[in-house]
Amino acid sequence: EAGVTQFPSHSVIEKGQTVTLRCDPISGHDNLYWYRRVMGKEIKFLLHFVKESKQDESGMPNNRFLAERTGGTYSTLKVQPAELEDSGVYFCASSHRSFGGPDTDTQYFGPGTRLTVL
Amino acid sequence: AQSVTQLDSQVPVFEEAPVELRCNYSSSVSVYLFWYVQYPNQGLQLLLKYLSGSTLVKGINGFEAEFNKSQTSFHLRKPSVHISDTAEYFCAVSDLVPGKSTFGDGTTLTVKP
Repeated sequence: EAGVTQFPSHSVIEKGQTVTLRCDPISGHDNLYWYRRVMGKEIKFLLHFVKESKQDESGMPNNRFLAERTGGTYSTLKVQPAELEDSGVYFCASSHRSFGGPDTDTQYFGPGTRLTVL
Repeated sequence: AQSVTQLDSQVPVFEEAPVELRCNYSSSVSVYLFWYVQYPNQGLQLLLKYLSGSTLVKGINGFEAEFNKSQTSFHLRKPSVHISDTAEYFCAVSDLVPGKSTFGDGTTLTVKP
């Protein structure tokens, strides 16, 4: 079974440019999460999809960030325009929508996309 | 609001020594607790989790953690570490599954020969 994949692995852009990050969750996982780690600090939640719907977007920092999940499969996170403080590692995670079993909300993480804004 | 405090940012130990990575949390509701490990250039991997039941949780790679509700702690332990355990470890808490997790700052464990 393929794990969570993220593309690109690294992105270096200039302030004011646009960047789109992509996440492909594990097949069949309804839950998809985006997190961000800035400057070696804690990993912070951005948002949570259940299938194609945004369940919780309380962690999105501002309206420069736009997340979508087409047809409940892969997800994109667009930053437009990028600012210096957006630099960090963006992680995607997915989990199976099950309750009570041993796999209950085990979040499987991708390797992350390292974004550098100059 | 929830928060997680990992009390040590760096923990150096010698190979075959025991190790404890400390984690305290705050939450106004019942919680679910997790420990993850991140090896260089890889994503986070779940080591173990506490959802309910026994407060002593055993995970992969010989790690275990104990949920202590009165002390709001979930410390991670291993009786004998290996060089290959060198990695960054994250403690996380969630008040809802499925749902978002709140993470600590991470603890870098360095195992020396």
